[in-house]
Amino acid sequence: DTGVSQDPRHKITKRGQNVTFRCDPISEHNRLYWYRQTLGQGPEFLTYFQNEAQLEKSRLLSDRFSAERPKGSFSTLEIQRTEQGDSAMYLCASSFLTGQSSYNEQFFGPGTRLTVL
Amino acid sequence: QQQVKQSPQSLIVQKGGISIINCAYENTAFDYFPWYQQFPGKGPALLIAIRPDVSEKKEGRFTISFNKSAKQFSLHIMDSQPGDSATYFCAARTGGFKTIFGAGTRLFVKA
Repeated sequence: DTGVSQDPRHKITKRGQNVTFRCDPISEHNRLYWYRQTLGQGPEFLTYFQNEAQLEKSRLLSDRFSAERPKGSFSTLEIQRTEQGDSAMYLCASSFLTGQSSYNEQFFGPGTRLTVL
Repeated sequence: QQQVKQSPQSLIVQKGGISIINCAYENTAFDYFPWYQQFPGKGPALLIAIRPDVSEKKEGRFTISFNKSAKQFSLHIMDSQPGDSATYFCAARTGGFKTIFGAGTRLFVKA
C-alpha cells in the first residue's frame, strides 16, 4: 500500500502524559498537513509543511502541540501534558505541489484516534 | 467568514434515489471546492471538486452544482446505492493548502 500511513492507529493515555504520533506521506509528496477531527465534525486544519519547513500553524495548535518534519519525509506530532479536550482523531494528509497548480489533491491517512482519560 | 455551512446533518435515501447535500460559504477568497467521502475508521477521500468559474461538474453518478452569486454549492448523488452510505464533507480551500471543512452529512442508503 503506497498511501499515507499513520502510527499508532489508536492511543489511550492519561491526562498529563505526552504522546507522539507519526505520519508517513506518499513517497515524494512535498506537502504534509495535520488536521484534527472531533466526533461529528469535519477535520480542522492544524498545520502544514512544505518539505521540512513548517509554513502555517492554526490558532488551534497551542504551545502544547509541536510538529516536525525533519528531513522532509515523515512527520511527527507531539502533544505535551495532554488534556481531555485533546481527545480526537488526528489526520495526516500529503500532496505534491507543482509549479503549475496549487490545487493538488490532498491524500489522507487513516488517522490516529487519541483518547485522553 | 472562514466557515463552510453544510446541511443536512443526516440523510436517508432509498436505493436508486437522489441524495442532495448543500453547502454555503461566506469567504469569496475561496477558490477550490472539494467534496470528500469518509467511511468509518478511514480518512476522508476526495470524491469530486470544482472551481468557482464552473457552474457544474459531473463525474459518473456524482455532480456538483455551484452558484457563485449565492455562494452555495451542492452535491447530487444519482442512483444512490447502499455502498454510498458514508459521511460526506464539503470543503473550501484558499491559497492552495488550507482546507476548511463543513460539519459533514451522514448518508444512509436503504436497500
